[in-house]
Amino acid sequence: GAVVSQHPSWVICKSGTSVKIECRSLDFQATTMFWYRQFPKQSLMLMATSNEGSKATYEQGVEKDKFLINHASLTLSTLTVTSAHPEDSSFYICSARPPRGQGRTDTQYFGPGTRLTVL
Amino acid sequence: SQQGEEDPQALSIQEGENATMNCSYKTSINNLQWYRQNSGRGLVHLILIRSNEREKHSGRLRVTLDTSKKSSSLLITASRAADTASYFCATGHNNAGNMLTFGGGTRLMVKP
Repeated sequence: GAVVSQHPSWVICKSGTSVKIECRSLDFQATTMFWYRQFPKQSLMLMATSNEGSKATYEQGVEKDKFLINHASLTLSTLTVTSAHPEDSSFYICSARPPRGQGRTDTQYFGPGTRLTVL
Repeated sequence: SQQGEEDPQALSIQEGENATMNCSYKTSINNLQWYRQNSGRGLVHLILIRSNEREKHSGRLRVTLDTSKKSSSLLITASRAADTASYFCATGHNNAGNMLTFGGGTRLMVKP
């Protein structure tokens, strides 16, 4: 099956630093990747849709200058949380959707998530 | 805003019993998917049901979809302690690159 990895799995940082999270599709090319945020005991909230080679589409209320997304290749998307603050502490999950002809495009394959703790 | 609303928010049952979780949504959908998430872990895709389907089975899982009521249910039969997890429904839409909108989730605890 399709595998999506995330790195790191857990990061602790000081307030004010920037943190980069990587999302990789390991055995398929992903033209579209999605970034979600999940607070404890809550559901996933879509932050942005990342398309390879173009600018990401951010959901309402998500600051694009705060959460920088780069989808430079068909297997890698990165989310950078800039100048992180304690309220940014959350579980960040990415998902990837294979292009047409390479599997089910109506299913997203999820990474294991990255837990960010900002002190 | 989240489209899907799930109930119950939490469910506790004994091993061997069946667990039923419900999901309601508001706008039209292309498909509805159910996911499972163990505490602090990523999501595992369980089952997808399309808008023109009414029922689907996968092992001990049974999903129904009623588009007239804009609702779906997930039934887990003969539950096991290992089924303890959070279960989310997500609605898929034709637009926006088939974006998924997640419900609030049901936390299921199966006691041995």
